[in-house]
Amino acid sequence: NAGVTQTPKFRILKIGQSMTLQCTQDMNHNYMYWYRQDPGMGLKLIYYSVGAGITDKGEVPNGYNVSRSTTEDFPLRLELAAPSQTSVYFCASSSSGGATGELFFGEGSRLTVL
Amino acid sequence: AQRVTQPEKLLSVFKGAPVELKCNYSYSGSPELFWYVQYSRQRLQLLLRHISRESIKGFTADLNKGETSFHLKKPFAQEEDSAMYYCALRVGNQFYFGTGTSLTVIP
Repeated sequence: NAGVTQTPKFRILKIGQSMTLQCTQDMNHNYMYWYRQDPGMGLKLIYYSVGAGITDKGEVPNGYNVSRSTTEDFPLRLELAAPSQTSVYFCASSSSGGATGELFFGEGSRLTVL
Repeated sequence: AQRVTQPEKLLSVFKGAPVELKCNYSYSGSPELFWYVQYSRQRLQLLLRHISRESIKGFTADLNKGETSFHLKKPFAQEEDSAMYYCALRVGNQFYFGTGTSLTVIP
């Protein structure tokens, strides 16, 4: 049982490039989340989804896009990478919007924009 | 606006000593609070939730609405407790995390 899988684990981008961070979960969870974590800061919610076809903005959505075409996948798209997007990105999922408080996290993706 | 504050970035204690990791929150509604932990080379995972009033790995946390706090405590720290600890507040479908406290237990 893989849980939440994120790819890639590391990536270096040039300013203006675009990329997609992939996230997939095999637990049949309805809720999925994307967080970013900057050094010395807590996790900030970028986007989340309560089910296939439904997405909502979190605290820091600017510069990102998401889609949720299937229950399993929740990719995060950076269209025009900027140095401010250098961060560690975490994908998470839960079965009931975190009603039990349990988010299942991926291992993280470290992105550097130069 | 809701906010979670963890005032200590780093905390070191000796093995066998009591440990307390502080967490304060700001939220006008009825809070749902959690502690998450990340051990070295492992994923972030749930440690405990206030609603369960449980003790996990010897850790407990009591919600104090008067002081808007949810401090994590353990009477006797162990080396394996060394990790990064995050306090989190759930509001609707969203979780708000603190900046985390890195706990080091000195042998």
